[in-house]
Amino acid sequence: DVLMTQTPVSLPVSLGGQVSISCRSSQSLVHSDGNTYLHWYLQKPGQSPQLLIYRVSNRFSGVPDRFSGSGSGTDFTLKISRVEPEDLGVYYCLQSTHFPYTFGAGTKLELK
Amino acid sequence: EVQLVETGGGLVQPGRSLKLSCVASGFTFNNYWMSWTRQAPGKGLEWVASITNSGGSTYYPDSVKGRFTISRDNAQNTLYLQMNSLRSEDTATYYCTRENWAFDYWGQGVMVTVSS
Repeated sequence: DVLMTQTPVSLPVSLGGQVSISCRSSQSLVHSDGNTYLHWYLQKPGQSPQLLIYRVSNRFSGVPDRFSGSGSGTDFTLKISRVEPEDLGVYYCLQSTHFPYTFGAGTKLELK
Repeated sequence: EVQLVETGGGLVQPGRSLKLSCVASGFTFNNYWMSWTRQAPGKGLEWVASITNSGGSTYYPDSVKGRFTISRDNAQNTLYLQMNSLRSEDTATYYCTRENWAFDYWGQGVMVTVSS
């Protein structure tokens, strides 16, 4: 199985600040079709997860441009700029290149 | 508007069975793969099962393979998860998700508690 290592576990932030979350995979996430199926989610307290970024760097519908994704191969990053209160929660990465699909353990974004 | 509504959760004894349902609306159901993902209380997310748009192929992690069965009724826009031989470690909120390579839409989740 592909192990997804997310860091940090906890990320204190000030409103208006910028943060980065790392997600590293134990093997390349490049699919045989040439695409990389690495996605990012936010789960706000008491809510279902919501898709932010799909295939490394594509913002999902309605996601503000404060969120950006980058990376390749086994090393990926989610950046959040100008953090707002509604950005707080737990962030997860997901790989759907290889079965079984696997999630990172999560990064909790909280106020400093 | 895409909507996914799960039902069928509840309290069940270890070793027993339970079947979850998910009714989809707001999109052409038979154009998409569908999946189930779960979250144990206070824990992270775990993918549980996927099914192709036709229902012809299914995929599972080892943790549920042989015990859980995902299926769909495209005429009724409904996804199912049959869970047999339930264990305490299956206790979780189960989410129905539309799969478009990423899980792009999620239901509100349904709680399954396995306990005697």
